Amino acid sequence: RKEVEQDPGPFNVPEGATVAFNCTYSNSASQSFFWYRQDCRKEPKLLMSVYSSGNEDGRFTAQLNRASQYISLLIRDSKLSDSATYLCAVNRNTGNQFYFGTGTSLTVIP
Amino acid sequence: NAGVTQTPKFQVLKTGQSMTLQCAQDMNHEYMSWYRQDPGMGLRLIHYSVGAGITDQGEVPNGYNVSRSTTEDFPLRLLSAAPSQTSVYFCASSSWTGGRNTIYFGEGSWLTVV
Repeated sequence: RKEVEQDPGPFNVPEGATVAFNCTYSNSASQSFFWYRQDCRKEPKLLMSVYSSGNEDGRFTAQLNRASQYISLLIRDSKLSDSATYLCAVNRNTGNQFYFGTGTSLTVIP
Repeated sequence: NAGVTQTPKFQVLKTGQSMTLQCAQDMNHEYMSWYRQDPGMGLRLIHYSVGAGITDQGEVPNGYNVSRSTTEDFPLRLLSAAPSQTSVYFCASSSWTGGRNTIYFGEGSWLTVV
């Protein structure tokens, strides 16, 4: 079983829509959780960390559900500039190894 | 603000050739790693290092060697390139910040083996 699994999409949504991505992780020892954004032919860049209590950064909200072992990312009022691939990542804090999902492709349509 | 620097950005190799992808970071991070990214496969860990002189294998280490002689540098060597090693390679370094571990990537190296 993969360490991290996420729906690859693609998600095609109109501008202004709300879209949500989920990601499940298999190892309950995972300690840190993240969402990364990757633009075409670019490196992944940290979008936001995911905290146990959930956290918000502008139009982006991240949630963690340890009992069900999933993290989510909600994007409100989608912009054209949100079009990218979103990768979830988990870290066990043991050996500093990060595990990434395959990414979910989002296209925001005018 | 260099962060993680990878070279070369693009490379074409013939089957059987060897080459080294260079990676350097200027953030004094102890942990460095190499990933490859293929369509539908996501980022897969090749090798990682928790400090100078210490390296270990990740998920897909075969065909690759690494060394970590300094904190700053973590080169990835392809011993005898194969078409299956055609991929995008990302070097990364990570640190603990505010009680959490954060990973930073280089810009990537696009490798084609023909």
